[in-house]
Amino acid sequence: EIVMTQSPATLSVSPGERATLSCRASQSVSSNLAWYQQKPGQAPRLLIYGASSRATGISVRFSGSGSGTDFTLTISSLQSEDFAVYYCQQYKHWPPSFGQGTRLEIK
Amino acid sequence: QVQLVESGGGLVKPGGSLRLSCEASGFTFTDYYMTWIRQAPGKGLEWVSYIRSSGTSIDYADSVKGRFTISRDNAKNSLYLQMNSLRAEDTAVYYCARVRYDFVWGSPEYYFDYWGQGTLVTVSS
Repeated sequence: EIVMTQSPATLSVSPGERATLSCRASQSVSSNLAWYQQKPGQAPRLLIYGASSRATGISVRFSGSGSGTDFTLTISSLQSEDFAVYYCQQYKHWPPSFGQGTRLEIK
Repeated sequence: QVQLVESGGGLVKPGGSLRLSCEASGFTFTDYYMTWIRQAPGKGLEWVSYIRSSGTSIDYADSVKGRFTISRDNAKNSLYLQMNSLRAEDTAVYYCARVRYDFVWGSPEYYFDYWGQGTLVTVSS
């Protein structure tokens, strides 16, 4: 199974600033990488697929980049509703696997 | 709009059984592969099982293989997870989710574009 490692575990950022979250795969997953946002008590929501394509209805403040083993989720100009836990997931290799999450908190 | 509504969670003793259901609406259920994903309290996400749109192909995480059975009833737009021989470590919120399908290439892409709200399963004596 592909191991997905996210860093940092917790990221503290002020509203209006930019957040950069990282995800690394234990072997190449090409561009088969998705990002999800999860708020307390809610189901995860798809943000990004194909490493850089925004899902339907997702703000342009969210952008994804990377390929192979190293990926980044960038959230520009953080809004209050962006503070949540973010998960990456690879779907190149079976079974699909998730990172452990990055908690984005208000500084 | 796409909706997935899980039900069937609850408190069960170790060794017991439970059957989860997920009712789908707002899309053509027979076009899509479906999956179950779980999240232990305070933990991350773990893929559990998937089923092809026709029900002819199925797979499970090693952690549940031989104990859980996924199925679907396309006439009822419903997905199920029969969970037997439950253990404390199966305690989690269980989500059903739709597997994204690429209609251009005619193949699934195993990320999950819609999720239900989840149902909590607690295994405890």
